[in-house]
Amino acid sequence: QQQVKQSPQSLIVQKGGIPIINCAYENTAFDYFPWYQQFPGKGPALLIAIRPDVSEKKEGRFTISFNKSAKQFSLHIMDSQPGDSATYFCAATSGSARQLTFGSGTQLTVLP
Amino acid sequence: DAGITQSPRYKITETGRQVTLMCHQTWSHSYMFWYRQDLGHGLRLIYYSAAADITDKGEVPDGYVVSRSKTENFPLTLESATRSQTSVYFCASRQGTDTQYFGPGTRLTVL
Repeated sequence: QQQVKQSPQSLIVQKGGIPIINCAYENTAFDYFPWYQQFPGKGPALLIAIRPDVSEKKEGRFTISFNKSAKQFSLHIMDSQPGDSATYFCAATSGSARQLTFGSGTQLTVLP
Repeated sequence: DAGITQSPRYKITETGRQVTLMCHQTWSHSYMFWYRQDLGHGLRLIYYSAAADITDKGEVPDGYVVSRSKTENFPLTLESATRSQTSVYFCASRQGTDTQYFGPGTRLTVL
């Protein structure tokens, strides 16, 4: 049972394009929604995160849009660069241990 | 500052053998986590620990054992490895905030 569904599985854009990655969740107990970025051979690293009381959060070229009623959130990467090529995971947190439930990941390739 | 380290980075073993993956963090974080990463599944939580001697099951605990006698170490043991446990294993830790910090991973192959 996948509680956080992520799409697309892979994405290829040209440099300067705006890739969008979408996630949907089912569990209304989730209360924190981070995005992690992972480069080959490395562990995931926190990129940006949002709480459900706001609809949008922007950090540099990365923006999360959050729709609480639809239980959906998405990551937008403005002016994408080849260095942004990585795997992106959405996630959701709940419980006292703040354990993460991850989406299945999106492999992003930004062509020069 | 080493942060969070995992060893070994690569391991090949045979079905039925016992394998222990090590995780060490230098931050004295209270919480530590073990995940496995498989294509199409993202990362799935195996076990977590809130403090020394306190552990709890995650989403996929079957076939795994953990212990935490010291705050900084959180070993993961596969008591009798199976091919389905071939995966990349990540350890993570957190303290205070919601941010989890991940180690570099261990790639385990079970033949």
